[in-house]
This record gives sequence, structure tokens and C-alpha cells, in this order.
Amino acid sequence: DQQVKQNSPSLSVQEGRISILNCDYTNSMFDYFLWYKKYPAEGPTFLISISSIKDKNEDGRFTVFLNKSAKHLSLHIVPSQPGDSAVYFCAASEGTYKYIFGTGTRLKVLA
Amino acid sequence: KAGVTQTPRYLIKTRGQQVTLSCSPISGHRSVSWYQQTPGQGLQFLFEYFSETQRNKGNFPGRFSGRQFSNSRSEMNVSTLELGDSALYLCASSWSATKGETQYFGPGTRLLVL
Repeated sequence: DQQVKQNSPSLSVQEGRISILNCDYTNSMFDYFLWYKKYPAEGPTFLISISSIKDKNEDGRFTVFLNKSAKHLSLHIVPSQPGDSAVYFCAASEGTYKYIFGTGTRLKVLA
Repeated sequence: KAGVTQTPRYLIKTRGQQVTLSCSPISGHRSVSWYQQTPGQGLQFLFEYFSETQRNKGNFPGRFSGRQFSNSRSEMNVSTLELGDSALYLCASSWSATKGETQYFGPGTRLLVL
């Protein structure tokens, strides 16, 4: 049972445009969400997070939106750059020292 | 400050063998988590250790085990390897793995079971 789902395995976006990566979850007890970026042959690196008490968090070009009623979060990257090409994972936690990850979305930013 | 290191980086084993993977966390970090990454399954949580105690575990068979030493280094062991155990095994460290705390991942150990 996949509690965190990323239904788009891949996404291609033109450089300079907005990239929107989506993530859905089923467990209403999740109260903390994170996005990680992963390049080939490297471990995931932390990108941005959001607590369930917020509906938006921004960090430079990256913004995460949380819609608790829809159990949906999204990551917006504006403007997209070729260096953003990577696999993006969303993850959720209910505070039990355990993060549940989605299956990842491969983003390709075209120059 | 040195990052999370994992050894070995690559490993080839045959079915039925056992394997031990090692993870050295960032200096000062006391929590180590292990994940298995396979195509189409994303990162699946194996277990988490803090101060030599396993605090949480995922839904993996008992063939998967781990431990943490007093210096916070951690090992995971997989016994009686199966073809389906072929995956990238990632470890991540943090100060205490509490909510809101960033986990730092190592580069992973890629295991191939033949």
C-alpha cells in the first residue's frame, strides 16, 4: 500500500518555464512533508519542507504548496534551469522517526 | 565537514549468500536510517537507529537486520540473498531524526544479486 504517490514518473519542461511536481498521500496523520532531489550516482539531497500547519513554503526558486483537504502537495520550480534535471522525491512523516517516500518523478529541463 | 559515507559502493553477490553494508554518519549525528531504492518503488524505509537502539522498522522480512555501534556507525545485513534484493541501499543520518530535521543521505551501495 503506497501511502505517498507520485503519479507522474517523468516530466519535461523548457528552460525558464515553471516545473510543477505533484505528490498525493493517503495517511491523514502525516504532518510533515519534504522534497528531495537526486542526481545519478548520488544520494538524495534535501530541497524544501513544509509542516501541516502551513499551506505554502518558499525558498528561492522553490515553493511547496500543501492542500490538506485534498491530501496533495506540489513543488513549483520557477524558473526551471537545466541543472534542475534530476529525480524528485516527496516524503512524509508522522513524527515516528520514519519517512515514507514516493516513487519519484524524473524532471528534464530542456535548454 | 565530511558527509555520510557508505561502503562498499558496489557489490555483486549470488543467491543464498549474505551481505553486510556499512554506513558512517556525519560527525555528531546519532540517528541513522536505511532505505532500499528499487525502480518503480522509490525509497522504502528499512529501519532507523539512534544511540545503538532500533526505534522504528519498515515492512521487510527478518532477513534484513541492522545494528549501530557506539560511534554511531551502522551496518545492515541481508542474509540468504534473493534476486529481488538487488537495489540501491541508502543510509541517511541526522542529529536525532525528529520531525522537521533534515536527513543527509550517503551515495548508496548498489547491490546486484545474481
